Order: sequence, then structure tokens, then C-alpha cells
Amino acid sequence: QSALTQPASVSGSPGQSITISCAGTSSDVGRYNYVSWYQQHPGKAPKLIIYDVSNRPSGISDRFSGSKSGNTASLTISGLQADDEADYYCSSFTSSTSYVFGAGTRVAVL
Amino acid sequence: HLQLQESGPGLVKPSETLSLTCTVSGDSFGSGTYYWGWIRQPPGKGLEWIANIYERGTPYYNPSLKSRVTISADTSKNQFSLTLNSVTATDTSLYFCVRHLSSGCDIWGQGTLVTVSS
Repeated sequence: QSALTQPASVSGSPGQSITISCAGTSSDVGRYNYVSWYQQHPGKAPKLIIYDVSNRPSGISDRFSGSKSGNTASLTISGLQADDEADYYCSSFTSSTSYVFGAGTRVAVL
Repeated sequence: HLQLQESGPGLVKPSETLSLTCTVSGDSFGSGTYYWGWIRQPPGKGLEWIANIYERGTPYYNPSLKSRVTISADTSKNQFSLTLNSVTATDTSLYFCVRHLSSGCDIWGQGTLVTVSS
């Protein structure tokens, strides 16, 4: 299984909105509504921010939203804040009954 | 609240077997509700899903690692474990144990660094 495709980096100014794409195939992102997104700050464990394409776990800000169209999922961060500067990973369930991650996107707050 | 804690040797020799255990505390393990799994992250790199197991015992594996990996659960000890055979330097990673909330992993251990070196 190949890794999902994410942009290496995305940047934005405080208060702006940014979107991170996650491109998969018809065997993973396109086939299942089982896409999740993680935020990872340096030296910390990843934190789940979106699961099942668009659901937020308890305690996650509604500034984070997820969506999917065809084989591509997206994470939008609105009202960008300094603390949003981190690495973001997407993941999808696959037809091999396993999970695959993207390579990660570094978000910079300018 | 639920916590996960990885344990195991931090150094493994090439060609040997890596064995890690995750202890679940603060909640009932074995209720048959969740999947529990392992994810790793090589230093400075991205995440790789390794395997997960349903509490009642059904395991699932990353196809690229399946021939070398075994995941198991011991509900009597509130633990689940990972073994990875025939390790090489490319298996050097931070290994996390996790709980799955549907498609996402909502609870993570702090991670344990395993280095493969002679």
C-alpha cells in the first residue's frame, strides 16, 4: 500500500484559514469514510483531531474541520493560531484491512 | 481517565526479535468495545501503522510488515503486546501503543524508542 499524498508544508497568517489535502486512491480514501487527521507538536505524541472524515473528538476545537471528495480528503483549520504550528498527518482505512498514513504536512504560522 | 504505557527493551540487535508491551490503566480493557494497536515513527520521519487487535482477539496487520509481526492481547493483565522478528536498522523507531476510536486513534502512549544496533 502506498502512503497518502500530502503537501510537505502549508503556511498562513494568524486568523486566516488553511486547507491541507490528503490524496489517496479508490482502495482507501475513496472507498471508506474512515479518514482521520492528527496534529503532532515536536516531541509529543500525535493528537487525534478528526476521525471518520469529519467528526471531532470531544475537546477538539471547531476551528478544525474535515471533508472528503472522491479520493481526496481535506483538513481545514480556520482562525489560524500560533499553537496550530505543528505537523499534521492524515490516515485512511484500506481495502487490505489496514491503515495507511500520509507523509505529513508542516503547518507554519507566519 | 484511560492511560497507555509502553514497555520493553530500548536496544535490540539486528536479526533479533523486538518485543513490546502496552499496559492499559484507568478503564476496563476487555469489554469488547475497542481495537488496540501499534504505530511507529522513525526519528524525524512520519507515522507508520503496524497492527491492531480487537479485544476479543481478531488481529489486523500492515501488509508490508505482516510476515514479521504478531500482536496479541491479554485481558487478564490489561495488556497487549507486539513482537517484530528479524529486525534491521530500519526498524529503529519510536513505538506508540494506541486505542482506536472508530477510524482514529484517540488515546496514545507516550512512545518508547527502540534502537536496532549491534
